[in-house]
Amino acid sequence: DAKTTQPPSMDCAEGRAANLPCNHSTISGNEYVYWYRQIHSQGPQYIIHGLKNNETNEMASLIITEDRKSSTLILPHATLRDTAVYYCIVFYRMGNQFYFGTGTSLTVIP
Amino acid sequence: GAVVSQHPSWVICKSGTSVKIECRSLDFQATTMFWYRQFPKQSLMLMATSNEGSKATYEQGVEKDKFLINHASLTLSTLTVTSAHPEDSSFYICSARDATWTSGRGNEQFFGPGTRLTVL
Repeated sequence: DAKTTQPPSMDCAEGRAANLPCNHSTISGNEYVYWYRQIHSQGPQYIIHGLKNNETNEMASLIITEDRKSSTLILPHATLRDTAVYYCIVFYRMGNQFYFGTGTSLTVIP
Repeated sequence: GAVVSQHPSWVICKSGTSVKIECRSLDFQATTMFWYRQFPKQSLMLMATSNEGSKATYEQGVEKDKFLINHASLTLSTLTVTSAHPEDSSFYICSARDATWTSGRGNEQFFGPGTRLTVL
């Protein structure tokens, strides 16, 4: 079962940073936080993942709180192409299945 | 990056017929593949986990005789929707787990582009 809670929708102005929160208060010590996004009628696309340290790649930054009960995905300069549903998933890396929650529908506004 | 393909990308069929959807990992080996179903405006729902050379493991509430899964090779898994009915109309998505996930590539599960099934 999904172990994450995300706001259903958010808007962001083009060129501004988009900050997408995720609560995962029941996360255990060996579970990672993964972020994927799904553009309409396409398969999910990997964005970033982390365990406890903050992570950054060419797409985004992931900020994980010290208690690991929540995290924030940051898209530093949102573009119209970033309009998508963003999913936060907690995953036991030695396990297998991804269980998707309801995600956040991000709309980037011109 | 790793690529997963699905075929067909869309299919329309008559009620009562069977439809086969293929999922292929194009440039990596996948000992495990996963099948999801997504209804409009809803999230992805995991249907089953497919392991190469063994029987698939189905999630609770998913009929194994209705959704036949075969994972005959390290690069191919198929989902057959048997005796399809209009309520089976959905977006079916597969994902493949890279067997070499310790390689440090970062992400070890890659999703296909999806197959839209419409049953008339």
